Amino acid sequence: EIVMTQSPATLSVSPGERATLSCRASQSVSSNLAWYQQKRGQAPRLLIYGASTRATGIPARFSGSGSGTEFTLTISSLQSEDFAVYYCQQYNNWPKTFGGGTKVEIK
Amino acid sequence: QVQLQESGPGLVKPSQTLSLTCTVSGGSISSGGYYWSWIRQPAGKGLEWIGRIHGSGGTLYNPSLMSRVNISVDTSKNEFSLRLTSVTAADTAAYYCARDPGDWFDTWGQGTLVTVSS
Repeated sequence: EIVMTQSPATLSVSPGERATLSCRASQSVSSNLAWYQQKRGQAPRLLIYGASTRATGIPARFSGSGSGTEFTLTISSLQSEDFAVYYCQQYNNWPKTFGGGTKVEIK
Repeated sequence: QVQLQESGPGLVKPSQTLSLTCTVSGGSISSGGYYWSWIRQPAGKGLEWIGRIHGSGGTLYNPSLMSRVNISVDTSKNEFSLRLTSVTAADTAAYYCARDPGDWFDTWGQGTLVTVSS
């Protein structure tokens, strides 16, 4: 099973600032990586798939990059509604696995 | 727009079977070539993919749960179901159903909390 490791566990950012979240795979997953946002008490929401393709309706301030074992989710200018937990997920190998999450909190 | 809704008991006794149903609205479960997955999340923890089913009935399970899991589909009711046998406290979690284009999960139900306790 591929282990996905996210860092940092918690990221404190001021509104309007840039946030950079990292996700590392224990072996190459090519570009077969998705990112999700989960707010408290809600289901996750798909943000990015294919490492860099935004899902329908996702604002342009969210961008994904990387391939192989190292991936990044960037939020260019944090809005109040962006404070949440973010998960990466690989779908290159079975079973599909998720990272442990990065919580983005208000600084 | 497709919507998913989980339903089922919120409390299950240890060693018994957890049974949940996901009702799909706004689209047919048997068209579009989609898979339909179950995912769970213990409180304050990360996400675990449980397994999936195709509208035609083919299944794939997480090896860590394979011996205890069964996912089935009822196309006449446009729903799919999860059965997890011999549950323990470790199975206490929020359970989500999700539409699975084959790789990522693009539409999720709101989730249902299942507690395993006597």
